[in-house]
Amino acid sequence: GAGVSQSPSNKVTEKGKDVELRCDPISGHTALYWYRQSLGQGLEFLIYFQGNSAPDKSGLPSDRFSAERTGGSVSTLTIQRTQQEDSAVYLCASSFQSGRTGNEQFFGPGTRLTVL
Amino acid sequence: AQSVTQLDSQVPVFEEAPVELRCNYSSSVSVYLFWYVQYPNQGLQLLLKYLSGSTLVKGINGFEAEFNKSQTSFHLRKPSVHISDTAEYFCAVTQAGTALIFGKGTTLSVSS
Repeated sequence: GAGVSQSPSNKVTEKGKDVELRCDPISGHTALYWYRQSLGQGLEFLIYFQGNSAPDKSGLPSDRFSAERTGGSVSTLTIQRTQQEDSAVYLCASSFQSGRTGNEQFFGPGTRLTVL
Repeated sequence: AQSVTQLDSQVPVFEEAPVELRCNYSSSVSVYLFWYVQYPNQGLQLLLKYLSGSTLVKGINGFEAEFNKSQTSFHLRKPSVHISDTAEYFCAVTQAGTALIFGKGTTLSVSS
């Protein structure tokens, strides 16, 4: 079946511009996660959606970052007034919350963001 | 709070040699443990996971890992590596209903 998809695959933007990154999770997965992968920082958790519950935003690095998940499916990560330090690969993952699967997360290919 | 430490940032080995990638975690509660692999210019792929039960878990591509609760470790092993195993390997921990906490990653370089 279809995996997690992300768009665009690459995004180059100028400092100060806003960007939107999109994630389509696996159908039926109730949980959706955003992570950031950058040199020197490894993989960092950003935000987590589970069903209709309030999202866990504890990983967002600043108030320039926000995310929405509409209809319990597609999610958009928005970065306002981008800075050069925002350059990274943004990864989305989804999972079917179950103790039997241990919340195994399936990752998309990522969006490589470059801020000039 | 949970954390994951991957003790080696880079591991160079020759083809057909055995390899062990070390991972230690800290958590005050029961956790699930994972190893993910990232091949060059590709996304993350699950290698194996420990949820409960047998402490020796087998994954794809001949990898296995052993959960050691007393040492809070989850080391990854393969008895004979191939050139194609060259990749970055991430150890991760999670509790039910939370995000993954990743280690910094270990780059495995296999040469002939």
